[in-house]
Amino acid sequence: QSVLTQPPSASGTPGQRVTISCSGSSSNFGRDYAYWYQQLPGTAPKLLIYKNDQRPSGVPDRFSGSKSGTSASLAISGLRSEDEADYYCAAWDDSLRGWVFGGGTKLTVL
Amino acid sequence: QVQLVQSGSELKKPGASVKVSCKASGYTFTSYAMNWVRQAPGQGLEWMGWINTNTGNPTYAQGFTGRFVFSLDTSVTTAYLQISSLKAEDTAVYYCARADASPGECSNGVCLAPNWFDPWGQGTPVTVSS
Repeated sequence: QSVLTQPPSASGTPGQRVTISCSGSSSNFGRDYAYWYQQLPGTAPKLLIYKNDQRPSGVPDRFSGSKSGTSASLAISGLRSEDEADYYCAAWDDSLRGWVFGGGTKLTVL
Repeated sequence: QVQLVQSGSELKKPGASVKVSCKASGYTFTSYAMNWVRQAPGQGLEWMGWINTNTGNPTYAQGFTGRFVFSLDTSVTTAYLQISSLKAEDTAVYYCARADASPGECSNGVCLAPNWFDPWGQGTPVTVSS
């Protein structure tokens, strides 16, 4: 059971907008930022969003992040087939004194 | 460019040990902390802990004390993960991931909060089977 809760799956058609949620608690999102990682099939995770809503260079602006209270969201607009991947949210947890991840959301582009 | 290259896949018997390496390049190795993350087959990501690349001081997450050891060889800018007394449940892909933060926030082997994982190594599959 992951400390951060994500839906196990999400889907959309090309061009659509998809949102993936991540629910935490006062000891993680309530105190710290949200981070998102993208893991394409058979590859290592890659940083997608940092400090709630910041995109590293090279990440398309189709990807956006937000956080409100103890929940965070990742939105992908203009969905493309190459966005099919697993997406993980993460945060530092003050109670556990460590990094925690969501269980991951498998995004399927129909 | 900043890059982490890990050692190849390993097949070990229960009770044996394994040492995974993570070779860093493209940046000052001793300025940024290094994290280790485990991903069991078909499962999510699990943070194992981190090591201060300047002092060599490791910090282990809950559940990763005792059989897991982080170490460094700064002369070859490489971090290591050693797992002893291997069990079948240690079968997983192990990733190294550099800590990163806003400009100027990483020095002396540690990154001030807030920090994140970037980049990641390509992963080292470790299979434990008799």
